Amino acid sequence: IQLTQSPSSLSASVGDRVTITCRASQGIRSSLAWYQQKPGKAPKLLIYAASTLQSGVPSRFSGSGFGTDFILTISSLQPEDFATYYCQQLDTYPLTFGGGTKVEIK
Amino acid sequence: EVQLVESGGGLVQPGRSLRLSCAASGFTFDDFAMHWVRQAPGKGLEWVSSISRNSGSIGYGDFVKGRFTVSRDNAKNSLYLQMDSLRVEDTAFYYCVKDSALDLSLDYWGQGTLVTVSS
Repeated sequence: IQLTQSPSSLSASVGDRVTITCRASQGIRSSLAWYQQKPGKAPKLLIYAASTLQSGVPSRFSGSGFGTDFILTISSLQPEDFATYYCQQLDTYPLTFGGGTKVEIK
Repeated sequence: EVQLVESGGGLVQPGRSLRLSCAASGFTFDDFAMHWVRQAPGKGLEWVSSISRNSGSIGYGDFVKGRFTVSRDNAKNSLYLQMDSLRVEDTAFYYCVKDSALDLSLDYWGQGTLVTVSS
């Protein structure tokens, strides 16, 4: 199953609302996770089951979608949110990741 | 506190072998499946392998093609990845990752160990 993320990069300002999309090549129900990765660090799980916030993750992050189309939303971008975000499908082996979306400071 | 510490990375020539290890602590190791995920420098994430709690179910990425073998020792709280016939394109950071036990999402990651395949 291939995952296509868009955009591949974006520039935004602190306080902006940011949305990142992830499209699966076939239906994966709600079997999708989102990760955040900062330079030189390991990825961090943000959301699983498409819309469930991982413990400790700020509520400005939210996920939605089902089937083939999914969205990660950051309601009000904070300085610590500048990073690369990846989606991952959990429906079928081999597990696959999207290509990533780099969120940069405008 | 969950900790995953990888070791065993380094510089290796094409065609040679390397064995990665991951020491786990802070959780009941044999209650969780484990994964290896890799990331070439400056590139995206790529799932390498998964192993179930009792090693009864194992999976590999399509690119592995029989070259890698994942294993675990629950008595030692350790995960392993034996990598044979290494190729230049296997150069990457290799992460040891804990399964969340919810839906195959990956909730704790090690810091990664760098494998460089070069002549």
